Amino acid sequence: ELKVEQNPLFLSMQEGKNYTIYCNYSTTSDRLYWYRQDPGKSLESLFVLLSNGAVKQEGRLMASLDTKARLSTLHITAAVHDLSATYFCAVDRRTSGSRLTFGEGTQLTVNP
Amino acid sequence: DSGVTQTPKHLITATGQRVTLRCSPRSGDLSVYWYQQSLDQGLQFLIQYYNGEERAKGNILERFSAQQFPDLHSELNLSSLELGDSALYFCASSVEVNSGNTIYFGEGSWLTVV
Repeated sequence: ELKVEQNPLFLSMQEGKNYTIYCNYSTTSDRLYWYRQDPGKSLESLFVLLSNGAVKQEGRLMASLDTKARLSTLHITAAVHDLSATYFCAVDRRTSGSRLTFGEGTQLTVNP
Repeated sequence: DSGVTQTPKHLITATGQRVTLRCSPRSGDLSVYWYQQSLDQGLQFLIQYYNGEERAKGNILERFSAQQFPDLHSELNLSSLELGDSALYFCASSVEVNSGNTIYFGEGSWLTVV
């Protein structure tokens, strides 16, 4: 059974600081998704990582994938209050169809 | 706005009842997914349809069923509802059937069973 673990689960940081969210998964996969969710809202797609060594950046967020280590990271640079949200990673195994297994989510609070 | 439309947004119903959640995928997307989000279980994959056919099945209870219609909209039917079925139900869509595509989520349907 595929398991996806994120850490930390809760992250409080100051504006301007950098931090990294880690996503570990238990079974071989090269399909890794990152989503953002504001309270009570939908899941917003941030990144889709499709190969070992993939790196994608959008604004203050950068995601990477190491399939050999079964690890993805979401790096936050110079955090701002607007980044406060819950961030989920999800892994998709290459089976028939597509099904995402989500991590527990990292609740990020950026304080002024 | 992801382009995935779900109705109703909120629903309160009693135990033992049956409800239907509806979803219209993004224009051009053939694949529709249903996910459940609850505090104790987190985000769980329920089922996937592609162009009208079931393609992947997750932890969907036997009391739940889904279908995708020729116009590609989808419905999730929940019957014999229990308190534990209270959750946020997301519909999502993507262009292709297999992994590697961006999957877009709707706003969700909040179901409260009392």
